[in-house]
Amino acid sequence: EAQVTQNPRYLITVTGKKLTVTCSQNMNHEYMSWYRQDPGLGLRQIYYSMNVEVTDKGDVPEGYKVSRKEKRNFPLILESPSPNQTSLYFCASSSSGWSNQPQHFGDGTRLSIL
Amino acid sequence: QKEVEQNSGPLSVPEGAIASLNCTYSDRGSQSFFWYRQYSGKSPELIMSIYSNGDKEDGRFTAQLNKASQYVSLLIRDSQPSDSATYLCAGMSGTYKYIFGTGTRLKVLA
Repeated sequence: EAQVTQNPRYLITVTGKKLTVTCSQNMNHEYMSWYRQDPGLGLRQIYYSMNVEVTDKGDVPEGYKVSRKEKRNFPLILESPSPNQTSLYFCASSSSGWSNQPQHFGDGTRLSIL
Repeated sequence: QKEVEQNSGPLSVPEGAIASLNCTYSDRGSQSFFWYRQYSGKSPELIMSIYSNGDKEDGRFTAQLNKASQYVSLLIRDSQPSDSATYLCAGMSGTYKYIFGTGTRLKVLA
């Protein structure tokens, strides 16, 4: 089954404790992206990756890091989480950013930073 | 700042009616547009994509794009209570960057 898998689905943690949210897709997609979704603000792009070892900032990259060492994986790293990063996070992938393909979304990760 | 704007709603329509959801965008360079449906607490799922001016129909859904007016819409015919959700409009700004609207909440009343 074609899917985008995020882990964990839920996480409550404390300020400053480094965390990683993993994202994996099994569709051999080139393009992957991370979003956060907050009430009233909609989905905002954090980082995206056009292919292995190629990443770029979205609209709200501050406080986040990403890496793309393998085509299937695109982890989101919060080196020193803060309460304003409490949000619902989605990973998404598509076959190519160039060919205007729609994105497939993971089930989401709800992060609470205390 | 490139933007995609939607009325947050809620838009309430009776069962069986046509629901009309609208979206405007600021980036004239945007080429592709997508409508996603999102149930509460769930991930967005693609409903329609549209790339050319005019209408595109898929079952009960019709997407309309007017690039001159920078306007995208989604019509849902014969609305059902199961269509009650938040509908997200997204534009592809340049390459690789997707801009989402804040979504319109639709309520279909049985």
